[in-house]
Amino acid sequence: GAVVSQHPSWVICKSGTSVKIECRSLDFQATTMFWYRQFPKQSLMLMATSNEGSKATYEQGVEKDKFLINHASLTLSTLTVTSAHPEDSSFYICSARDIGTGVGEQYFGPGTRLTVT
Amino acid sequence: AQSVAQPEDQVNVAEGNPLTVKCTYSVSGNPYLFWYVQYPNRGLQFLLKYITGDNLVKGSYGFEAEFNKSQTSFHLKKPSALVSDSALYFCAVTHTGSYNQGGKLIFGQGTELSVKP
Repeated sequence: GAVVSQHPSWVICKSGTSVKIECRSLDFQATTMFWYRQFPKQSLMLMATSNEGSKATYEQGVEKDKFLINHASLTLSTLTVTSAHPEDSSFYICSARDIGTGVGEQYFGPGTRLTVT
Repeated sequence: AQSVAQPEDQVNVAEGNPLTVKCTYSVSGNPYLFWYVQYPNRGLQFLLKYITGDNLVKGSYGFEAEFNKSQTSFHLKKPSALVSDSALYFCAVTHTGSYNQGGKLIFGQGTELSVKP
């Protein structure tokens, strides 16, 4: 089945530093990847849609200069949280859309737990 | 605007009993409907989807869901619950126009299923 990986699975960083999270589709090509943020016991909040070779589309209220997204290849998208603050602490999840299967569902990565101290 | 409602924050079921997790939706056009399950500190796992065709959709781990257009519902069901089914369940929707333009999913708020022995 389609597998999406994320790295790292958890990270602790100091306030003011930047953190990069990688999302990879391991056995399929993903022209579109999505980045979500999830707070405990809550639903997923879509942050941005990442398209290979073009700029990401950010949802309303999401700071694009703070959450930098790069979709460099058909199997890799990265999210960089710049100048992180404690309020950025959250569970970040990516997903990839398998365009090769027609109307394909999104496949989700295992998530990255970010803690900013 | 698209929306998804999961009216129950929590569903409690005894092992061996049937379970239902409710979902209603609102979209313009024909809906694409999905169910995902999330275990603690993990990403989402795909269970099943409705695109077109038979209203009763069978998915992973013995789950099924029934698409009801008149009631705009897509309830998740399982004939006999297992303790291992305890998790957070999300219903999601998109529609043809949205899907062809990037495929953003709109998620419900999630329902926590607890299956007791």
